[in-house]
Amino acid sequence: DTAVSQTPKYLVTQMGNDKSIKCEQNLGHDTMYWYKQDSKKFLKIMFSYNNKELIINETVPNRFSPKSPDKAHLNLHINSLELGDSAVYFCASSQDTANVLTFGAGSRLTVL
Amino acid sequence: RKEVEQDPGPFNVPEGATVAFNCTYSNSASQSFFWYRQDCRKEPKLLMSVYSSGNEDGRFTAQLNRASQYISLLIRDSKLSDSATYLCVVNPKGGGNKLTFGTGTQLKVEL
Repeated sequence: DTAVSQTPKYLVTQMGNDKSIKCEQNLGHDTMYWYKQDSKKFLKIMFSYNNKELIINETVPNRFSPKSPDKAHLNLHINSLELGDSAVYFCASSQDTANVLTFGAGSRLTVL
Repeated sequence: RKEVEQDPGPFNVPEGATVAFNCTYSNSASQSFFWYRQDCRKEPKLLMSVYSSGNEDGRFTAQLNRASQYISLLIRDSKLSDSATYLCVVNPKGGGNKLTFGTGTQLKVEL
């Protein structure tokens, strides 16, 4: 059983489109995250939710909107995609105070 | 100055060699430290936490020097399977779970 699963694994789309990435964790963790890894391999936090509440919201364009329907799910919706949005998006989860992250396999987004 | 800095490498070493990576961090109040490993086109995975007194896990040894604000990772008897990117990760004080990742050091172990 995959601990943190995200779909789709690959996403190729045109500029201007809207797309979503879904994430689910079966670890019983309280906190979930979205990280972006760009072409230079720099991994940067975008958002974090704890028990469905937004607790970290980095400087991310408001075209990116996270949604957490329950503590096991955290989805990412991106409006009006731009070329610079091309990256690998990793979902992760952690117990509230453990600080150790378990990552999903990543969703590689390519915007043409 | 970047919050977490690492030499990107690549470090090319022969099998069996000992190799060490350093990582420096800018926030002196940082509280917790980790090494993650990321294989090519895969997700990062926790390798080990780094404790103040230093800690060892098999062939891997992690050290923390708070005075100089650096963390090190030593790999003894390198295996081909150790080839990966090693990410230094820091949790700044007050950052909650906002872990800050270095850009990683690439290791290639060769025959």
